[in-house]
Amino acid sequence: AQSVTQLGSHVSVSEGALVLLRCNYSSSVPPYLFWYVQYPNQGLQLLLKYTSAATLVKGINGFEAEFKKSETSFHLTKPSAHMSDAAEYFCAVREMNRDDKIIFGKGTRLHILP
Amino acid sequence: GAGVSQSPSNKVTEKGKDVELRCDPISGHTALYWYRQRLGQGLEFLIYFQGNSAPDKSGLPSDRFSAERTGESVSTLTIQRTQQEDSAVYLCASSTYGELFFGEGSRLTVL
Repeated sequence: AQSVTQLGSHVSVSEGALVLLRCNYSSSVPPYLFWYVQYPNQGLQLLLKYTSAATLVKGINGFEAEFKKSETSFHLTKPSAHMSDAAEYFCAVREMNRDDKIIFGKGTRLHILP
Repeated sequence: GAGVSQSPSNKVTEKGKDVELRCDPISGHTALYWYRQRLGQGLEFLIYFQGNSAPDKSGLPSDRFSAERTGESVSTLTIQRTQQEDSAVYLCASSTYGELFFGEGSRLTVL
């Protein structure tokens, strides 16, 4: 069965600094991978997804993530943090080509320091 | 409708009462999920429906929890004899090609 581990339940970065949110997955078959974002008092929305095409995936709001099979990782990055990036970020995995559920990590709350 | 719709948006109930939460998925989406999000915590998988296949109920925390789905449309999550630890936001999502579309959630408070 697939699983997801997000390192760090809280991450703080200064405005303008690099954002790096870590996600490692476990899957017995090639996965689909997702990052979702939940802004304060809002629902979850898709940030980006990997579905076996390019390993570097670009998403909304300047975020991107790189699928690294050898490291079983799908870390989320953004070169320069903005105050509006403060939110909860969730990594999720689904086993590719299988009629299976999507499993979420526990989430990382990103704090932006002025 | 254009998105996933959940009702009620807020529900306050007394311990021991039963509650029903409803989810209207996006039309045409064959997959439907229920998740639970406790205050300050991540998304806990509850149950997954995919087309006419038997639902994956592996995430339901106890036999007080059950869910049904009518065809590929509305789903209802039922919690019997509610307990205070059931207090959470219950999120529904429907899916096509693996991408989840979430509703706004139903916030359940058990007094």
